[in-house]
Amino acid sequence: NAGVTQTPKFQVLKTGQSMTLQCAQDMNHEYMSWYRQDPGMGLRLIHYSVGAGITDQGEVPNGYNVSRSTTEDFPLRLLSAAPSQTSVYFCASRLTQGEKLFFGSGTQLSVL
Amino acid sequence: GENVEQHPSTLSVQEGDSAVIKCTYSDSASNYFPWYKQELGKRPQLIIDIRSNVGEKKDQRIAVTLNKTAKHFSLHITETQPEDSAVYFCAASRPISFQKLVFGTGTRLLVSP
Repeated sequence: NAGVTQTPKFQVLKTGQSMTLQCAQDMNHEYMSWYRQDPGMGLRLIHYSVGAGITDQGEVPNGYNVSRSTTEDFPLRLLSAAPSQTSVYFCASRLTQGEKLFFGSGTQLSVL
Repeated sequence: GENVEQHPSTLSVQEGDSAVIKCTYSDSASNYFPWYKQELGKRPQLIIDIRSNVGEKKDQRIAVTLNKTAKHFSLHITETQPEDSAVYFCAASRPISFQKLVFGTGTRLLVSP
C-alpha cells in the first residue's frame, strides 16, 4: 500500500490564481480530511469527508472547496489564492470506526 | 467548539531526563485524546492515545494521563533520547466518530546528548 499520497510537494502561486491539491489513499478509508499547518498554530481542520458524496466544514473552511466523488480521492481547491493561504497542507485519512489518522507527506504552498 | 491549549511551546531537556507536555481542553463532551509526533520535515504520526474512560495509558517510555474533572491531559516521556526530538501535538474530539479532531498548537522538544 502507498498509504496517503499528496501532490504536489511544493507549489508557488500568485495572488488570485487557482489550483487543486491532490490527495489519494489506497487503504479503503471512508474518512478523509485536510489540515493546514502554520507556525505556532498547530494543525487546523479545513474540510473533511465521511464517505463519497459527503463533505463538511472544519475550523477554517473559507477560501477552500472540496468534493468527494470516489472513496480514494479528496482534492482541495483554492479558487482564488491569497497570501494568507501560504501554509503546509496535510491530507489525512482513517477508517470510519478507527481512530488513528494516517497523514500524507504534505504540500508546501506559497502564495505571493 | 472545542479549544485545545498546549504548553510549553518549546522544551529542552538533557538525554535521560523526563519530559512532560500538558494540554487542556474546553469541551466536556470530548472523550478521545491522541498525541502525534512530527519529526522535522515529516508527517505527523500517532504515538499514543487515551479515551475518557481511562485515567492513564503507558507504552514503553511514553505515557498519557487524563484528568476529566480538570479537563487536562499530559504526555510523559521518560529516559529521553535524541531521537525523541520532534514537535508533539495533542488533540481532542467528541465521540461522533471522531470527525472533528482539534489539535493543540504543538510543543517542540529538543533532547540534547
